[in-house]
Amino acid sequence: DGGITQSPKYLFRKEGQNVTLSCEQNLNHDAMYWYRQDPGQGLRLIYYSQIVNDFQKGDIAEGYSVSREKKESFPLTVTSAQKNPTAFYLCASDREGNQPQHFGDGTRLSIL
Amino acid sequence: AQTVTQSQPEMSVQEAETVTLSCTYDTSESNYYLFWYKQPPSRQMILVIRQEAYKQQNATENRFSVNFQKAAKSFSLKISDSQLGDTAMYFCAFMKHKMSDMRFGAGTRLTVKP
Repeated sequence: DGGITQSPKYLFRKEGQNVTLSCEQNLNHDAMYWYRQDPGQGLRLIYYSQIVNDFQKGDIAEGYSVSREKKESFPLTVTSAQKNPTAFYLCASDREGNQPQHFGDGTRLSIL
Repeated sequence: AQTVTQSQPEMSVQEAETVTLSCTYDTSESNYYLFWYKQPPSRQMILVIRQEAYKQQNATENRFSVNFQKAAKSFSLKISDSQLGDTAMYFCAFMKHKMSDMRFGAGTRLTVKP
């Protein structure tokens, strides 16, 4: 079955450490997205990519970085510059246009 | 910038009854898209229903229907014959042209009681 796979499900970061969250899709979707979800808030867009080797900042990109070397993959790195990284991270993808997004199951990141 | 407001942080309903979740939004656009997403305890985001602003007819999907009031910028979700599996967070979302424009409300936590 086609879908989006995020890994790991749970991740812990030490102070000053960079960590990378994986997102893979086999839906042949062009666009991929990273969202952050905090308690009591809706999803906020971190980065998105509409084509391989190209990506744009969303509303809260500071302290994060991404790459899009393959259509299927859109990893998110939470850098040490992100001072409050504890959150639930969701990856999504969709075809070009106004089709509804497909979401992964998420990664919960916590600080040790 | 578009904003989406869900004024009910939490709601509860008895099984088999009907419940309505509220959503308002702010935009100067005339054409756009509105969505309701469900996030059960498993945390997966599931599309419940979508509405295109140029369509006057309210969208319906089985037990889920919307009341779209374009002039009032209101987009409420009605769940009929509530089931225990409807227990989840529900997010209202607005999209202008493309998915990178999408904005989400803060969510309403719905509990269906047996």
